[in-house]
Amino acid sequence: DTAVSQTPKYLVTQMGNDKSIKCEQNLGHDTMYWYKQDSKKFLKIMFSYNNKELIINETVPNRFSPKSPDKAHLNLHINSLELGDSAVYFCASSQEGVAGTGELFFGEGSRLTVL
Amino acid sequence: DQQVKQNSPSLSVQEGRISILNCDYTNSMFDYFLWYKKYPAEGPTFLISISSIKDKNEDGRFTVFLNKSAKHLSLHIVPSQPGDSAVYFCAATNDYKLSFGAGTTVTVRA
Repeated sequence: DTAVSQTPKYLVTQMGNDKSIKCEQNLGHDTMYWYKQDSKKFLKIMFSYNNKELIINETVPNRFSPKSPDKAHLNLHINSLELGDSAVYFCASSQEGVAGTGELFFGEGSRLTVL
Repeated sequence: DQQVKQNSPSLSVQEGRISILNCDYTNSMFDYFLWYKKYPAEGPTFLISISSIKDKNEDGRFTVFLNKSAKHLSLHIVPSQPGDSAVYFCAATNDYKLSFGAGTTVTVRA
């Protein structure tokens, strides 16, 4: 019974395509995140939603658009994919945001390869 | 501009010995620090944390030490076990977002 699940786990696509990664958490958490792990292995935050409201939006190209239909779901849509978008994307959730404990629950990651 | 740095990309240690992982940070506003552990093809999982008002926190085989004046923290694993072989990420927060280091890959040799 996976707490934070994201699909697909692997995605190979051509430059210029549009793709989406879905994320669902069954922990009842209020806050969800998207992180990107690039080739240098750093985990960098992209977006954070609290109760469907966007609260963190880092310097991310407009081609990336998060959507939260409800507080258990946070999807990531990417338009006009570029080679540099190749990375592993992690979804995560937490009860009250990073304030206080900073404990995040991560999904398994979605490896995106842009050819 | 990376505010959390793990300068050792890898560490090899013999089973039963101590593993010491180091982490440095630049942002003096960070007030909570965490270590996450990651196995291949899995997401990171929370391991242990420490508040800036403390200098040590212990949980079983894992101890985190914080030196605020040096902006340095370390994770000690004693004794190291084969199941500890993983990537360890240091992270820090100042109530806004969690900033991660690049990780240290620990290999525990039998």
